[in-house]
Amino acid sequence: ERVMTQSPATLSVYPGERATLSCRASQSVNSNLAWYQQKPGQAPSLLIYDASIRATGIPARFSGSGSGTEFTLIISSLQSEDFAVYYCQQYNNWPRTFGQGTKVEIK
Amino acid sequence: EVQLVESGGGLVQPGGSLRLSCAATGFTFSSYGMNWVRQAPGKGLEWVSYITGSSTNIYYADSVKGRSTISRDNAKNSFYLQMNSLRAEDTAVYYCARTNTGWYNDYWGRGTLVTVSS
Repeated sequence: ERVMTQSPATLSVYPGERATLSCRASQSVNSNLAWYQQKPGQAPSLLIYDASIRATGIPARFSGSGSGTEFTLIISSLQSEDFAVYYCQQYNNWPRTFGQGTKVEIK
Repeated sequence: EVQLVESGGGLVQPGGSLRLSCAATGFTFSSYGMNWVRQAPGKGLEWVSYITGSSTNIYYADSVKGRSTISRDNAKNSFYLQMNSLRAEDTAVYYCARTNTGWYNDYWGRGTLVTVSS
């Protein structure tokens, strides 16, 4: 099983600042990695797939990078609606596995 | 517009059974694999099970293997998760999610809450 480890667990950021979230896989998942955003009381929603491709309607301030075992999600200038929990998920192998999440909170 | 709507959650006693349903609209249902993903209260996301469009291939997480059965009815644009021998640790919101042809999950339902408690 590919274990996905996200860091940090919580990220405190001022609005307008840049946020950098990390996701590490225990073994290579190639570029088969997605990022999801989840706001309180809501279902997750797709942000990034194939490690770096923004899903339809996702603003350009969200960018993903990486391959193999190291991945990064950058939010270039945090807006109020971006404060949420972010999960990475690999879809290279079964079972599909998620990271434990990074909560991005207002500083 | 793609829509996924879960139903069937509720309160069940330990050792009991429950059948979750997910109704899909807005796309050619039989062409897509579908998943169940759960989230325990205050916890992260856990993938539970996947079924291909033709039901040819099915996968389960170890945590539910042997106790759960995923199935689908393409004529009804619906798929299901039959859960047996339920435990307290199965308490969670269960989401259905569509798997895109690229293997990532692109649409999610709002979830249905399953509570296992005496």
